[in-house]
Amino acid sequence: QVQLVESGGGVVQPGRSLRLSCSASGFTFSSYAMHWVRLAPGKGLEWVALIWYDGSNTYYADSVKGQFTISRDNSKNTLYLQMNNLRAEDTALYYCARDTSSRGRYYSDHWGQGTLVTVSS
Amino acid sequence: QSVLTQPPSASGTPGQWVTISCSGSASNIGSNTVNWYQLLPGTAPKLFIYTTKQRPSGVPDRFSGSKSGTSASLAISGLQSEDEADYYCAAWDDSLNGWVFGGGTKLTVL
Repeated sequence: QVQLVESGGGVVQPGRSLRLSCSASGFTFSSYAMHWVRLAPGKGLEWVALIWYDGSNTYYADSVKGQFTISRDNSKNTLYLQMNNLRAEDTALYYCARDTSSRGRYYSDHWGQGTLVTVSS
Repeated sequence: QSVLTQPPSASGTPGQWVTISCSGSASNIGSNTVNWYQLLPGTAPKLFIYTTKQRPSGVPDRFSGSKSGTSASLAISGLQSEDEADYYCAAWDDSLNGWVFGGGTKLTVL
């Protein structure tokens, strides 16, 4: 069955960097677009970034543009989110989600359990 | 401030019919289908309605989705205690080139 397992979260000081990973199994990873979505404490779901099935195109929310980078390694069935210059407002539970299409315009039928990022001094 | 607007809360008694609204704009709901996710504490978001009115297998037929213009709705008939959760609407936004979500609606079964 489809499984998405995030890792790499933790407590980090403001201004530092962190790289999240999402290990995928149970499906042909290279055929699907992937998203990162976050849930901050007391707030709602926020879409963060999208990458096409082959990594050729990426898109970002305005709130993280220039600060976060989404990437993937299809040979390792793994999705990444490089987060730089972290701020307190980046504190959230970060989910990876599989789109039902190769280019990410639709919806997600599978989500990971999330990895918690806490930005605090 | 979410791009899609939902009421922060909704409630009903067991057996009642409840609706949750989701208001957007021409670049998202107005030109794309709407999806609804259920979020329970400590669990991953679960797809409840996709492409505006389709239900994934396992989602009770008490749940239904609809759309008119730039607004969408999630309707729940015969409310049950297990329906208590946060519900989020979402859609692709052609201007932002990404998903946009509503702020979420906390459904309480009284």
